[in-house]
Amino acid sequence: QQKVQQSPESLTVSEGAMASLNCTFSDGTSNNFRWYRQHSAKGLEVLVSIFSDGEKEEGRFTAHLNRANLHVSLHIREPQPSDSAVYLCAVSSNTGYQNFYFGKGTSLTVIP
Amino acid sequence: EAAVTQSPRNKVAVTGGKVTLSCNQTNNHNNMYWYRQDTGHGLRLIHYSYGAGSTEKGDIPDGYKASRPSQENFSLILELATPSQTSVYFCASGDPGRSNERLFFGHGTKLSVL
Repeated sequence: QQKVQQSPESLTVSEGAMASLNCTFSDGTSNNFRWYRQHSAKGLEVLVSIFSDGEKEEGRFTAHLNRANLHVSLHIREPQPSDSAVYLCAVSSNTGYQNFYFGKGTSLTVIP
Repeated sequence: EAAVTQSPRNKVAVTGGKVTLSCNQTNNHNNMYWYRQDTGHGLRLIHYSYGAGSTEKGDIPDGYKASRPSQENFSLILELATPSQTSVYFCASGDPGRSNERLFFGHGTKLSVL
C-alpha cells in the first residue's frame, strides 16, 4: 500500500511570496501524481497532474516530481488570499484496482 | 467538466440506524469511489466500483456496503451506523481507460452519528 506524507501540516505565506508544499511517497513505481485543492466544506479541485519525472506547470501552480527520491512538490507562484485552502497530494496505486492514496494535506493561509 | 453530485449534503443519524449516501455522475465514467475524510487520516477508500453491478472493497470497508445499480449511481450504505462513522464522505468518478486517470469529486456529505 502506498504511504503518502505531506509537509508542512500548515503554512502561512504573504500574498505574492512563493508557497512550496512537499509530498513523499513509499512506492516509486507509481506514475500518476495529482495535487488537489480543497476549500472549506467543498469538494476537491485538481490543480496539477504529473506522470513523469521533471516539472509540470499549470498556470501559477508547478509540480516537481522526482521518483528516485520519492518526492513530489507543489509550488504556487504569487499566491493570493483566495488560494487559502487545504492542499492534498494524491499518488496512484500500481497494484490491483485503480486507486489514489492521499496525504493528510497541508493547510495554506495566504495573508494580504 | 464531469459532474458528481452527492446527496444529502448533511445528515444526522442515530446509532444503530440505517444510512444511505447517494452519488450520481453524468460523465459516463466506469469507475466510482467512496472515500471518507477524517482529521489526521486524510482521504481513505471505502468501496469502489468498475461499473454497473460491480462493487469492490477498498482499504476500510468494514461497516459499509455499496451498491452500483447503474452507470450513473453509486450508493454507500451503513446498515448499523456507529458514532465512529461520523465523518465527511466523498464520492468520486474517473475514467479507467487512460493511464492518466483523474478523479472528479462531489462536494461531500457530512455525516454525524449520535
